Amino acid sequence: AQSVTQLGSHVSVSEGALVLLRCNYSSSVPPYLFWYVQYPNQGLQLLLKYTSAATLVKGINGFEAEFKKSETSFHLTKPSAHMSDAAEYFCAVSDQTGANNLFFGTGTRLTVIP
Amino acid sequence: KAGVTQTPRYLIKTRGQQVTLSCSPISGHRSVSWYQQTPGQGLQFLFEYFSETQRNKGNFPGRFSGRQFSNSRSEMNVSTLELGDSALYLCASSSIGGDPDEQYFGPGTRLTVT
Repeated sequence: AQSVTQLGSHVSVSEGALVLLRCNYSSSVPPYLFWYVQYPNQGLQLLLKYTSAATLVKGINGFEAEFKKSETSFHLTKPSAHMSDAAEYFCAVSDQTGANNLFFGTGTRLTVIP
Repeated sequence: KAGVTQTPRYLIKTRGQQVTLSCSPISGHRSVSWYQQTPGQGLQFLFEYFSETQRNKGNFPGRFSGRQFSNSRSEMNVSTLELGDSALYLCASSSIGGDPDEQYFGPGTRLTVT
């Protein structure tokens, strides 16, 4: 079974500071891992995905994540936070059975302080 | 290319009633997945349809059902509504439905059960 754990339901950073959102996964098979962002009253938008190619994945809006198998982690980072990054972020995992069912973490709400 | 559309965007129903939600995927996409989002349970996978067949199903009671039409549009139905069914229902489409693919989410239908 697959699952993800997001540490910290709320994270606050100052504008221009490093953003680090944590995600640890559990999977009995090599996983596919995703980060999604959700703005208020909107659906989810894919930031990036890991599918066993490069371990460092670059996504949209300056975000990137590194897959670390030894730590079963897939943390999301951005060097410099912008006000527009304030949103809720979800880590998700899927297996490789060919089905599009994602298992989501509980989400991390990012606040950016001006 | 138009995104995933969901109708209606907002819905208020009474306990015991039934409801049907609609999702139109991105043109050319054949896989449609449905998710329920609540503050308490987070994002949970309901089911996925691919080429008019339910390919995968989450852990929800039989009151939740769905179908997919030949044009890939999908509907989900909830019968005998309960207060706990109040949620944001998101649908997501992806292209080939093979290996876990990038899913594009619609804005959701917010269902309130009174």
